[in-house]
Amino acid sequence: AQSVTQPDIHITVSEGASLELRCNYSYGATPYLFWYVQSPGQGLQLLLKYFSGDTLVQGIKGFEAEFKRSQSSFNLRKPSVHWSDAAEYFCAVGYFGNEKLTFGTGTRLTIIP
Amino acid sequence: DAGVIQSPRHEVTEMGQEVTLRCKPISGHNSLFWYRQTMMRGLELLIYFNNNVPIDDSGMPEDRFSAKMPNASFSTLKIQPSEPRDSAVYFCASSRGVNNEQFFGPGTRLTVL
Repeated sequence: AQSVTQPDIHITVSEGASLELRCNYSYGATPYLFWYVQSPGQGLQLLLKYFSGDTLVQGIKGFEAEFKRSQSSFNLRKPSVHWSDAAEYFCAVGYFGNEKLTFGTGTRLTIIP
Repeated sequence: DAGVIQSPRHEVTEMGQEVTLRCKPISGHNSLFWYRQTMMRGLELLIYFNNNVPIDDSGMPEDRFSAKMPNASFSTLKIQPSEPRDSAVYFCASSRGVNNEQFFGPGTRLTVL
């Protein structure tokens, strides 16, 4: 069965600093991968997705993620965070031909001035 | 274009009462998903439909839960009778189908007293 691990429950970053949120997946076939963001009291919003092709994908709000097959990872990065980036971030994995996504447990991001 | 619409946004009810949550997917989307989010269990897929047909309901906790999709623009999730442990945020999401991203609604926060 497919699974997703987000090893960091909570991360605190200073405004303007760089950010990397980790995501590891477990599945034999080629996955398709997503990062979603959830602000308090809101639904999940798609940041970016990887289906195939270039392993470095760009998303909204200045985020990017890199798919590394050898490490089964899909880490999310941002070079300089803004206070408005404070939210919960979810990694999700699916596989070709199946609509179900498996979500990680989320990483809560706190931004300090 | 309006996103996924859910109603009500908040529901407070007493144990034993019937609860009905409603969802209108994005027009043109043919897949619909119901999720439940709690602190303890994270984001769980309850059931999903494709072209109004339930495809996988393995995540439905028990017989007290039921979901319907009578047409392409409307779905309900019903809990009867409700219990305090059903308290959670329930999300509806829709997509264009296999290998496409899911778009989430704002959620319904359910509190069962």
